[in-house]
Amino acid sequence: AQTVTQSQPEMSVQEAETVTLSCTYDTSENNYYLFWYKQPPSRQMILVIRQEAYKQQNATENRFSVNFQKAAKSFSLKISDSQLGDTAMYFCAFIGAAGNKLTFGGGTRVLVKP
Amino acid sequence: NAGVTQTPKFQVLKTGQSMTLQCAQDMNHEYMSWYRQDPGMGLRLIHYSVGAGITDQGEVPNGYNVSRSTTEDFPLRLLSAAPSQTSVYFCASSYQQVDTGELFFGEGSRLTVL
Repeated sequence: AQTVTQSQPEMSVQEAETVTLSCTYDTSENNYYLFWYKQPPSRQMILVIRQEAYKQQNATENRFSVNFQKAAKSFSLKISDSQLGDTAMYFCAFIGAAGNKLTFGGGTRVLVKP
Repeated sequence: NAGVTQTPKFQVLKTGQSMTLQCAQDMNHEYMSWYRQDPGMGLRLIHYSVGAGITDQGEVPNGYNVSRSTTEDFPLRLLSAAPSQTSVYFCASSYQQVDTGELFFGEGSRLTVL
């Protein structure tokens, strides 16, 4: 079974600065997909960014980017120019090529301070 | 376009009572799933369905039943509620498999079992 680990329960960052969230995963599959989801206080889950394992290029979505290290099974999220609206829980998630079971990490709470 | 709708948003039950969490989506998605969210454990998959008439177990299926008689609806039944089922429940859907990352979530249902 796949596992996803987020080792940082909580992080804080000053507005406009950069914060990096770590995520490691364990799998024997070669083809898979990785995601970061954001859950603000409203509780709504929002997809932030997605990475296909067969792509070497790191995914980027505006101020959000990832550092995907396949050999190390690491998938970190960098939030640049942090904004107050980035305050939320962030979940790393993994799915294998079969595409039926999305496995989440335990989450990292990010607090952006003014 | 309503997306994924969950009802009720809040529910308090006594141990041993039964109830059904409703989930409906209007996006013609084939894939639907139920997760529970507990502090420090992220979201864990309870059951999922890849189409009408097809359901399968996720990571934590015990104590829960599901059915998928239509494409739109995917109810989650608790037959005899236990305090360990106190949690926030999320329904999520996707067009087909989840590998595109476009997993659409409902707003969650907070269940307390006394």
